[in-house]
Amino acid sequence: AQSVTQPDIHITVSEGASLELRCNYSYGATPYLFWYVQSPGQGLQLLLKYFSGDTLVQGIKGFEAEFKRSQSSFNLRKPSVHWSDAAEYFCAVGRAQGGSEKLVFGKGTKLTVNP
Amino acid sequence: SAVISQKPSRDICQRGTSLTIQCQVDSQVTMMFWYRQQPGQSLTLIATANQGSEATYESGFVIDKFPISRPNLTFSTLTVSNMSPEDSSIYLCSVVRTSGFTDTQYFGPGTRLTVL
Repeated sequence: AQSVTQPDIHITVSEGASLELRCNYSYGATPYLFWYVQSPGQGLQLLLKYFSGDTLVQGIKGFEAEFKRSQSSFNLRKPSVHWSDAAEYFCAVGRAQGGSEKLVFGKGTKLTVNP
Repeated sequence: SAVISQKPSRDICQRGTSLTIQCQVDSQVTMMFWYRQQPGQSLTLIATANQGSEATYESGFVIDKFPISRPNLTFSTLTVSNMSPEDSSIYLCSVVRTSGFTDTQYFGPGTRLTVL
């Protein structure tokens, strides 16, 4: 069965520091991978997605993620974190032929940004 | 992207009652889903809301507890029936939009339900 693991439940970084959020997946075929962000009291916003092609994916708000098939990973990165990035981040894998249908989510990583 | 609204945004309900949550999308979509996010947990898919037919439920979710309607391609409702405190969660609807050769799932703002 498909699964997503986000090993870090909570990460704290200082504003301006770099960030990497880890995501590992288990999937029987080529995965479709997504990162979503959920700010307090808000719904989920799509940051970026990977379907095929270039393994380094650029997203909104200065985020990027790299798909590494050999490591079954899709880690999210940002070179310089802003205070407004404090939120919960969810990695997800698509588990149907349509790609985005029936997403399986990781448990999320909560990001705290210190001034 | 997609503009998705949900009503109510939050509610506090008594045990044993039912709540119907509405999801409205700004344009027609084929695929619409309902998720549950329990406190401190990730999102779990409840069901796929199918237009013109019964919803397709995931393992662990049943129609009697979570009846779903999908009268057209822009609207769906989820009812949480005979509620207990364990049903306290955020309920989110989502839709799939196709852009080029790729599909992307967009989420509504969620309905925060507290059951006393």
